[in-house]
Amino acid sequence: GAVVSQHPSWVICKSGTSVKIECRSLDFQATTMFWYRQFPKQSLMLMATSNEGSKATYEQGVEKDKFLINHASLTLSTLTVTSAHPEDSSFYICSARKTSGASNEQFFGPGTRLTVL
Amino acid sequence: GESVGLHLPTLSVQEGDNSIINCAYSNSASDYFIWYKQESGKGPQFIIDIRSNMDKRQGQRVTVLLNKTVKHLSLQIAATQPGDSAVYFCAENRKRGSYIPTFGRGTSLIVHP
Repeated sequence: GAVVSQHPSWVICKSGTSVKIECRSLDFQATTMFWYRQFPKQSLMLMATSNEGSKATYEQGVEKDKFLINHASLTLSTLTVTSAHPEDSSFYICSARKTSGASNEQFFGPGTRLTVL
Repeated sequence: GESVGLHLPTLSVQEGDNSIINCAYSNSASDYFIWYKQESGKGPQFIIDIRSNMDKRQGQRVTVLLNKTVKHLSLQIAATQPGDSAVYFCAENRKRGSYIPTFGRGTSLIVHP
């Protein structure tokens, strides 16, 4: 159990377009999901914490109007990169924390590779 | 051999050797730590965790040691196998409402057959 999926696994888009990435918890409910960005050979940088039914909490330096997060259900969070530019090309990873239980463990998705031309 | 994750990002070992990956964390308020393994093009995979009220925890072939005095964490992998080749990250967690993780730089482990 505790499987997290992401869709798409990779996407190539033109500069100026918007891209939506989905993160789903397949076999558990997740009140809280996290979105990370990872550049090549670097660590994961937390972008925002997504809470079901409320506004996301963004980390310092992350533009909330550029990276729109919606967590409309207990199994789905979406990240929309608006007006994407080549510098937004990165590996985007989500994780989810179970609603039930005392565990703080996060379960990570497989990541989405975004390339902006 | 040893590798300090922040200064030597690559550790090469022979199959069957023991590996030690080190991590220095920054915040003395962090009280929960996790080691993750990330294979190329994939998301991180949980390996083992430890709370600040412990200084050692063992799993299957892995041991995590925590030294709060010097804010240092290590991951020991026994009898390293080629399938262990990956990038290993430590993550410190500090409670801000709920636990929010901060990932360290990472160490690339290369296991030679």
